[in-house]
Amino acid sequence: DVKVTQSSRYLVKRTGEKVFLECVQDMDHENMFWYRQDPGLGLRLIYFSYDVKMKEKGDIPEGYSVSREKKERFSLILESASTNQTSMYLCASSSGLAGGRESKNIQYFGAGTRLSVL
Amino acid sequence: GQNIDQPTEMTATEGAIVQINCTYQTSGFNGLFWYQQHAGEAPTFLSYNVLDGLEEKGRFSSFLSRSKGYSYLLLKELQMKDSASYLCAVRDPFTSGTYKYIFGTGTRLKVLA
Repeated sequence: DVKVTQSSRYLVKRTGEKVFLECVQDMDHENMFWYRQDPGLGLRLIYFSYDVKMKEKGDIPEGYSVSREKKERFSLILESASTNQTSMYLCASSSGLAGGRESKNIQYFGAGTRLSVL
Repeated sequence: GQNIDQPTEMTATEGAIVQINCTYQTSGFNGLFWYQQHAGEAPTFLSYNVLDGLEEKGRFSSFLSRSKGYSYLLLKELQMKDSASYLCAVRDPFTSGTYKYIFGTGTRLKVLA
């Protein structure tokens, strides 16, 4: 079974703090993703990575950065946390590039980190 | 722009059949996914469609019409444990050969006894 592990289920931080959210997957997946999930807005992509040290901005990258130094680990960094970054953060991973039509490349999700910024 | 629409909430009775619709407008298309998410848990994969037609998997089926930008998830013989949010997602390829997923806001299904 694919396992995607996020380091914390709940996190409380203060405005201005630097916050690290860690995600580790054990299936040798090339692709890893960070989303935030807010009521009424669904899952929104922050950043994704398709290889070590490679990253692409998603739809809402402002205020975030990422790091992928090893294939299994993808970190999301809030350089200076703000109250509007209070949210549920979900990490996901999937295999390979979008290949032929038979290629599902299913995303597997971690359990999420509920971050509160006070 | 990129847009995926699904109803916010639906209610159905145990043992019944329910159909959750999803319409999409995206710049590219490389597959449509349905995920189930119970409250406080991670989304889990339910089904995948890339060609037009119906894919059946036990009590769950998913249909796709690419020309209409439309999909539905059909749940039969509803059980209480099916109470969850159902997320529709389209995989959108980048020119670099990578891809991203665009999610709808989810449909919260309540199954009543």
